[in-house]
Amino acid sequence: EPEVTQTPSHQVTQMGQEVILRCVPISNHLYFYWYRQILGQKVEFLVSFYNNEISEKSEIFDDQFSVERPDGSNFTLKIRSTKLEDSAMYFCASSEVQNYGYTFGSGTRLTVV
Amino acid sequence: AQKVTQAQTEISVVEKEDVTLDCVYETRDTTYYLFWYKQPPSGELVFLIRRNSFDEQNEISGRYSWNFQKSTSSFNFTITASQVVDSAVYFCALSELRGNKLVFGAGTILRVKS
Repeated sequence: EPEVTQTPSHQVTQMGQEVILRCVPISNHLYFYWYRQILGQKVEFLVSFYNNEISEKSEIFDDQFSVERPDGSNFTLKIRSTKLEDSAMYFCASSEVQNYGYTFGSGTRLTVV
Repeated sequence: AQKVTQAQTEISVVEKEDVTLDCVYETRDTTYYLFWYKQPPSGELVFLIRRNSFDEQNEISGRYSWNFQKSTSSFNFTITASQVVDSAVYFCALSELRGNKLVFGAGTILRVKS
């Protein structure tokens, strides 16, 4: 069964450093998403992306965050200057049709120290 | 605005008991989708079910069943004869047809003891 692949599975970074989280969505999917889950809390929407542009973003997704689809396969989330409160599990998801049939990756656990 | 409420923060049961996880949602759209996900201790999100707003038929899959009632805006999940492997966090989620995101509830921690 097709999978969404996220790398790395765990990343530790120093406060103030830039970090890039990588995702390879399912190949025929057109809609891409990032979600965040702070430890012990609910899964929160960050951003959706379609046709090479952001469709919607949440209040969490401020100027420190950006997304990119640099080639035909990768979908990245960049955090420019990490803060302690950015420590969370970040999930990438993709879907063939908008808002239907989401497939989630297994997540990247980001720890900011 | 979309909202999902899972009022039960944590439930503990003994193996073989039945357990129901509650989910209440709010939306202004007439077309929407409801989901349940399981998050085991390993952390990934495991898809369990998706229902669209026009299909109110209850669904059964093995020991799992779902009760969708539009009149009460609820989409409850029942595990029959629970097992230790069912221990996880369970999330209910909602997406609107015209929206671009899934909105999750706060999750219910299910602990099944042997």
